Amino acid sequence: GENVEQHPSTLSVQEGDSAVIKCTYSDSASNYFPWYKQELGKGPQLIIDIRSNVGEKKDQRIAVTLNKTAKHFSLHITETQPEDSAVYFCAAKPSLGNQGGKLIFGQGTELSVKP
Amino acid sequence: DTGVSQDPRHKITKRGQNVTFRCDPISEHNRLYWYRQTLGQGPEFLTYFQNEAQLEKSRLLSDRFSAERPKGSFSTLEIQRTEQGDSAMYLCASSRTTYEQYFGPGTRLTVT
Repeated sequence: GENVEQHPSTLSVQEGDSAVIKCTYSDSASNYFPWYKQELGKGPQLIIDIRSNVGEKKDQRIAVTLNKTAKHFSLHITETQPEDSAVYFCAAKPSLGNQGGKLIFGQGTELSVKP
Repeated sequence: DTGVSQDPRHKITKRGQNVTFRCDPISEHNRLYWYRQTLGQGPEFLTYFQNEAQLEKSRLLSDRFSAERPKGSFSTLEIQRTEQGDSAMYLCASSRTTYEQYFGPGTRLTVT
């Protein structure tokens, strides 16, 4: 079935360093890949997304890259700040038989940015 | 605030009781999703509505679960005869297209 694997499960960086989170997906027909940030006690917040016809997208300190051949995509956060500390989830939208747009999520990465 | 809202935010119930959660989507969004999230895991899809029609249900949604969206606006998720394994965060999301989904704050259910 559809599956999204996310690594690492925890990531600790020093403030100002970069952080990279990687995901792989199983359904080669997936066509949409969002990233969510979830803080304690809150719902997931959409921070950036990419569609399958684009290889890279950037928004200020956040960028996402997509390699359709290898079926993996990555989140890059530069110049990390303590407020970036949260759990980050990748997701993929399978295409086949998925007219509604349900998302398949990875297991999450707990990012800790140390001042 | 015009985001997705959910009520209640927390619910503690005894095993065997019925519970109902409510979700109010972003006003112009005709698509509504329910997900369940357990501790340390990503959200798992439960069901999807387009307007008032329930178009997809996950195999996770047992017969004890039912969802409605009677007028194509707010939605309710009911769990009958709750079990301890139902303890989780229940998340609602809405969207205008099949792409960007915006999540509410969730309802945390604890079954004792």
